[in-house]
Amino acid sequence: IAGITQAPTSQILAAGRRMTLRCTQDMRHNAMYWYRQDLGLGLRLIHYSNTAGTTGKGEVPDGYSVSRANTDDFPLTLASAVPSQTSVYFCASSDSGQGANEQFFGPGTRLTVL
Amino acid sequence: GQNIDQPTEMTATEGAIVQINCTYQTSGFNGLFWYQQHAGEAPTFLSYNVLDGLEEKGRFSSFLSRSKGYSYLLLKELQMKDSASYLCAVVDSNYQLIWGAGTKLIIKP
Repeated sequence: IAGITQAPTSQILAAGRRMTLRCTQDMRHNAMYWYRQDLGLGLRLIHYSNTAGTTGKGEVPDGYSVSRANTDDFPLTLASAVPSQTSVYFCASSDSGQGANEQFFGPGTRLTVL
Repeated sequence: GQNIDQPTEMTATEGAIVQINCTYQTSGFNGLFWYQQHAGEAPTFLSYNVLDGLEEKGRFSSFLSRSKGYSYLLLKELQMKDSASYLCAVVDSNYQLIWGAGTKLIIKP
């Protein structure tokens, strides 16, 4: 692995189903982030983690949960998907969550909830 | 509230120069990033400004005026591969990135 990877690349999901989006980085970055990107809107932060074992809520956390059991992995779970969660989801990482650090992005997951 | 404004779309000609503006109102300021995002791809880092003035990096330059809450990205000698969206993002007082909606730049031959 080089950089940051996400899986799946795309997914079509029935409303009410549970779904976990996976994110893995091999850069030993301390901080990781989940964003959603919708047409006409900027990237919006869902959840973040400044270090393994800690997580925080971003701008739009409702309906999503995250965990950070180790440095490399930061999965995002939709407990019961709704159509408004149709979006492109980007995972990102940075060396630190303190200070202004460049964020590196994964390739994204395109999620459609029907 | 926090607000980042950028033009939605701009068109320019191959070989020309284009300036993409970004104005912001945020709770605190700890720097401003510009990212490039090609259609269907992830954003990639272009520049970071925290002090007033111009930062030049090859064909791309970025300018910041903190007193005016204003930045611009200047692209010179435009190439077709520069067709992309350009995202402005401000680091707020909590060191979170606040993102603009992006400017879609269309390059015509």
